[in-house]
Amino acid sequence: LAKTTQPISMDSYEGQEVNITCSHNNIATNDYITWYQQFPSQGPRFIIQGYKTKVTNEVASLFIPADRKSSTLSLPRVSLSDTAVYYCLVVLDRSSNTGKLIFGQGTTLQVKP
Amino acid sequence: DAGVTQSPTHLIKTRGQHVTLRCSPISGHKSVSWYQQVLGQGPQFIFQYYEKEERGRGNFPDRFSARQFPNYSSELNVNALLLGDSALYLCASLLTSSYNEQFFGPGTRLTVL
Repeated sequence: LAKTTQPISMDSYEGQEVNITCSHNNIATNDYITWYQQFPSQGPRFIIQGYKTKVTNEVASLFIPADRKSSTLSLPRVSLSDTAVYYCLVVLDRSSNTGKLIFGQGTTLQVKP
Repeated sequence: DAGVTQSPTHLIKTRGQHVTLRCSPISGHKSVSWYQQVLGQGPQFIFQYYEKEERGRGNFPDRFSARQFPNYSSELNVNALLLGDSALYLCASLLTSSYNEQFFGPGTRLTVL
């Protein structure tokens, strides 16, 4: 599975848009880019998944350029409650995943008032 | 519907003891994955079970074992506890064995003294 690289930490202020970029240079053709969010003392929570171009849901947007070697998670108008660790994962397509997710260290986002 | 439940929430053991952690997946989900999360790190994959059979195993010693019951609940057992086993143990529920949106429980915080 492709290794991912993302910043260890980021700071932001309430109301700002936050963009977290993840590098995955060795992504394979069948791999999807997936982001999870984890609050302290809780399990990770699936945020968004995409294969190419742009995906948007009620929580975030995911931008993936044509070469798919990186991706950007965009959180619009963050609030204090968005303070969490954000993990970027590369996973095999749904038909072949064995249920094993490989997490890195993630990006710790601190939102300040 | 109830989400993923894990018990106990917290546990304190001493070195050399044995521990059993329990997980109940989301109703209708047939697969469970277990992860260990040491403080400051991302979750690390331990096991996956689907339809009561082991479908994947991470790089953990034989002191770690698991099983899945006919009602799809699961137990994780750790023998001969070491200080380094202190961690948050997370259970994830999957609809099938090959679905990469996993639903995590709140975890069991294990402290080994």
